[in-house]
Amino acid sequence: DIQMTQSPSSLSASVGDRVTITCRASQYVSNYLNWYQQSPGKAPKLLIYGASSLHSGVSSRFSGSGSGTDFTLTISSLQPEDSATYYCHQSYSTPDSFGQGTKVEIK
Amino acid sequence: QVQLVQSGGGVKKPGASVKVSCKTSGYTFSDYNIIWVRQAPGQGLVWMGWISGRNGNTYYTPKFQGRLTLTTDTSTSTAHMELRGLTSDDTAVYYCAKLEVVVAAADSWGQGTLVTVSS
Repeated sequence: DIQMTQSPSSLSASVGDRVTITCRASQYVSNYLNWYQQSPGKAPKLLIYGASSLHSGVSSRFSGSGSGTDFTLTISSLQPEDSATYYCHQSYSTPDSFGQGTKVEIK
Repeated sequence: QVQLVQSGGGVKKPGASVKVSCKTSGYTFSDYNIIWVRQAPGQGLVWMGWISGRNGNTYYTPKFQGRLTLTTDTSTSTAHMELRGLTSDDTAVYYCAKLEVVVAAADSWGQGTLVTVSS
């Protein structure tokens, strides 16, 4: 099974800051890497699919990059509504797997 | 618009079974797969398995093999998840989600259903 490791586990940043979250796969996953945002008590929401494609309706301040085993989610200018937990997800090989999550807080 | 509305769940005794339903609308059910994901309190997301909306083919994560059954009712565009032999470790919010076709990302999610296992 493919293990997904996110870093950091949590971060605190100010409004307007550029924030970067990384996700590393234990094996090659091509570009089958997706990012989700989950606010407390809510279902996850798809942000990025295929490593770098922005899901419909998602703010352009979110972007994704990477291929193979190393991936990055970037928030270009952090906003208060971005306070949430972010998960990466590999869909290259079943069973699919998620990273452990990165909690983003606003200072 | 695409909607997935979940029902079922609730409080169950250890050893019991639970069934959660996921009624979909706003898209052609048979064109997409559905996945099930769970999240224990304060924990991360765990992928459980998927079912084809077209032919009912399934894949179950080995962790749940033998206890999990995924089914669909194409007449009502509804997916069902049944988990048997419940223990306290199965206490979680269970989500269904629709998979997009390009890279199998979950692009629409149900609201989640809490299953609590307690004696």
